[in-house]
Amino acid sequence: AQSVTQLDSQVPVFEEAPVELRCNYSSSVSVYLFWYVQYPNQGLQLLLKYLSGSTLVKGINGFEAEFNKSQTSFHLRKPSVHISDTAEYFCAVSDLGSARQLTFGSGTQLTVLP
Amino acid sequence: DSGVTQTPKHLITATGQRVTLRCSPRSGDLSVYWYQQSLDQGLQFLIQYYNGEERAKGNILERFSAQQFPDLHSELNLSSLELGDSALYFCASSSTGQNTEAFFGQGTRLTVV
Repeated sequence: AQSVTQLDSQVPVFEEAPVELRCNYSSSVSVYLFWYVQYPNQGLQLLLKYLSGSTLVKGINGFEAEFNKSQTSFHLRKPSVHISDTAEYFCAVSDLGSARQLTFGSGTQLTVLP
Repeated sequence: DSGVTQTPKHLITATGQRVTLRCSPRSGDLSVYWYQQSLDQGLQFLIQYYNGEERAKGNILERFSAQQFPDLHSELNLSSLELGDSALYFCASSSTGQNTEAFFGQGTRLTVV
């Protein structure tokens, strides 16, 4: 079984400032890692994913994340945020088997302030 | 637009009732997943179907059931509804292959009164 911990439930940040949303996971097997974004009253949209290879993953909207196996972390970063980045962000893992269901963290509400 | 369609978008019903939520996956996707998002439990995996057969089960109550039809659309049936079943129910679909991702629908917001 896997578990995901998102260390910050709310992150306020000023526009054009950098941001890091933290995610740690626990698993007895190798996993795939994902970040999803949920805008108000909408579904989940994939930001980026780590399956294998380079530990630095680039996603949409200028976001990137770094997989750190020794620290079992997958933190999400953006060098300069915009008001439109205000949303809830979810870190998730899945195993490498055929089912691939996602285990989600509790989410981080990112609020970008003018 | 993810290509995953869920109906209805909103549903209000009374305790004890039964409802059916519908999901049409992206064209060609064989896997359908159901998730529940509630304030106290967060996002939880309920059940997965692959090409008509149940593939994996998560924290799904016995009062809930699902099926996937030959045309690959799926339905989630919730019965004997309780106030605590009020939540946003998401459907997601994915194709086969190693580098696939799940695409989510916009969800059905269920309110039990």
